[in-house]
Amino acid sequence: EVQLVESGGGLVQPGGSLRLSCTASRFTFSDHYMDWVRQTPGKGLEWVGRIRKKTNSYTTEYAASLKGRVTISRDDSQNSLYLEVNSLQTEDTAVYYCARVSNDYVLDYWGQGTLVTVSA
Amino acid sequence: DIQLTQSPSTLSASVGDRVFITCRASQTINSCLAWYQQKTGKAPKLLIYKASTLESGVPSRFSGSGSGTEFTLTISSLQPDDFGTYYCQQCKSYPITFGPGTRLEIK
Repeated sequence: EVQLVESGGGLVQPGGSLRLSCTASRFTFSDHYMDWVRQTPGKGLEWVGRIRKKTNSYTTEYAASLKGRVTISRDDSQNSLYLEVNSLQTEDTAVYYCARVSNDYVLDYWGQGTLVTVSA
Repeated sequence: DIQLTQSPSTLSASVGDRVFITCRASQTINSCLAWYQQKTGKAPKLLIYKASTLESGVPSRFSGSGSGTEFTLTISSLQPDDFGTYYCQQCKSYPITFGPGTRLEIK
């Protein structure tokens, strides 16, 4: 069974930065686009962004609300996906999920999520 | 951006009921729509993609229909395990967007 495990969450001060990791296993990571999605406590799902695979030059797409503050990257040799967010605000407090993008461009496997709390 | 709305926002139904959840898009998305189920404290689970294709391993009581701007998720005979929040998601264009969710409660 496909496995995605996020790490790197925790308490961050406003104005700070975070770097989340997602380690993938039991599938060929390099063959898939990957997404980050976040969910604020008690609220709905918000797409953060996507990174394509090597054959698509690792190009990225980001949500407008985060553009300029977020970078998604990947290391196929380590089966790892990364999310960096700068200038964190309290509104960035959320559970952050990584998800695999299927060949039909939907999110067919998700990690368990990692909680980021932005607070002084 | 493509906006998705869902109705109802909350639904209470009994075991065995037939349940319908609607998702409407602000512009045509052809059949590029997925449905997810999420339980409290868990990640979303893919149920349906391409508007009507059942994900492997998902019970056949779940079905999806629609195209263009209006879509429906149907649960043919509600089971106790079906409680949770259901989200639609469009994959037609960036940014990817999700509906606000429909909370399904079992009576």
